[in-house]
Amino acid sequence: GQQLNQSPQSMFIQEGEDVSMNCTSSSIFNTWLWYKQDPGEGPVLLIALYKAGELTSNGRLTAQFGITRKDSFLNISASIPSDVGIYFCAGPLGSGSRLTFGEGTQLTVNP
Amino acid sequence: GAVVSQHPSWVICKSGTSVKIECRSLDFQATTMFWYRQFPKQSLMLMATSNEGSKATYEQGVEKDKFLINHASLTLSTLTVTSAHPEDSSFYICSARASGRKSYEQYFGPGTRLTVT
Repeated sequence: GQQLNQSPQSMFIQEGEDVSMNCTSSSIFNTWLWYKQDPGEGPVLLIALYKAGELTSNGRLTAQFGITRKDSFLNISASIPSDVGIYFCAGPLGSGSRLTFGEGTQLTVNP
Repeated sequence: GAVVSQHPSWVICKSGTSVKIECRSLDFQATTMFWYRQFPKQSLMLMATSNEGSKATYEQGVEKDKFLINHASLTLSTLTVTSAHPEDSSFYICSARASGRKSYEQYFGPGTRLTVT
C-alpha cells in the first residue's frame, strides 16, 4: 500500500549534534513533505519536495527527495533545544490531495 | 501567511452530548480542508476531506453520521462530534489546502483536545 515507514522512532542527542532521519515507502511518491509537531500543537510544514533528487534547505534543516522516489531524508545540523518535537514525513494518499503520514520521529535534545 | 485557527482549543463534555469544532483559514481561501484525529504518541489519522460547497468524503471506518462535517465557506469548516462517548476523546486537528498553491501542501490548525466524561 502507501504506508510510510519512518525511522528512527526516537532519537536522544546532545545539543550541537547533527540529526538524520528518513522515510521510506514501497510505493513511488511524487511529493514528500516534512512536518514538525510540538506537544499539544498542530504540525508545521518545514520543507516540501516535488522532484526526484531535489535537495532543499530551510535554515539548519535540509531534506532530500530520493532518486528512487521511494524515500526521503531530513537532516538537522547543529541541533538546539527548540528542535525538540516529533517530525513527520508525509506524501500523497491515492489520488486527490489527501496525505498519508509516517509514524513520526521523536527528537529529544539534551542541553 | 497560511495561518489556520481552531476553536475551541480544548473542550470537556459529558457523554451523549454533541461538540462542534471550528476550523478557519485566516489569510487564505481554502477550497479543501481536512480533519484528522491523533491519539497520544501516534501519528495523524485522516478522518475526512471537506470540500467547500459539497459533501465531505470520509475515510474508511469513520462514521459520517457521528462526525458531521460542514464546509459552508472558503474559510470555515466545522466538525461536530455527535452523541460523544469517552472513546471519542482525542486530539482533533484540521488542515487546509490553499486554493492556487501547490497541491499537497497542507497547513494545520493548533488542534482541539476533546475529553468526554
